[in-house]
Amino acid sequence: NAGVTQTPKFRVLKTGQSMTLLCAQDMNHEYMYWYRQDPGMGLRLIHYSVGEGTTAKGEVPDGYNVSRLKKQNFLLGLESAAPSQTSVYFCASRQGWNTEAFFGQGTRLTVV
Amino acid sequence: EDQVTQSPEALRLQEGESSSLNCSYTVSGLRGLFWYRQDPGKGPEFLFTLYSAGEEKEKERLKATLTKKESFLHITAPKPEDSATYLCAGPSETGNQFYFGTGTSLTVIP
Repeated sequence: NAGVTQTPKFRVLKTGQSMTLLCAQDMNHEYMYWYRQDPGMGLRLIHYSVGEGTTAKGEVPDGYNVSRLKKQNFLLGLESAAPSQTSVYFCASRQGWNTEAFFGQGTRLTVV
Repeated sequence: EDQVTQSPEALRLQEGESSSLNCSYTVSGLRGLFWYRQDPGKGPEFLFTLYSAGEEKEKERLKATLTKKESFLHITAPKPEDSATYLCAGPSETGNQFYFGTGTSLTVIP
């Protein structure tokens, strides 16, 4: 049982390049989340989804887009990367509105 | 506005020196208060969920408690392997979003 898997684990981008981060969960969870974690800022919610085909904005959505075409996958896209998007990105999933979230191992993204 | 606040930001303890971490929340209609442990370079790992005031949960040297306004993570006789960042989190009023505090970085010195 893999849980939550993020791809890739590390990436270096040049300013203006685009990329997609993939999150896959095998627990049949309804809710999925993308966070970014920066020193001293904690985990900040970028976008989330409450079910297949749904997405919504979190606290810091600017510069990111998401899609959830399949229940098990939640994609985070950066259309034109900026140095301010250098961060560690975490994906999480949970079954219901009052249950715990399970996290992936993170993607360390550097934009130069 | 829904908010989760943790204190202190950092805590250094001698091995065996017990202490407590605090988590305050202003989420309306609490739908659970969650504690996580995060080791460097890894994703947060779930520890406890508390749903109602007065509830307590224990795991090894850790005990989490919940009042109407805050939660405490008590660490009894910590060991160096307890060194990590401890995060608390809670769902939004709608239950859809999941907010985290900024965490407490715990260092236990042998």
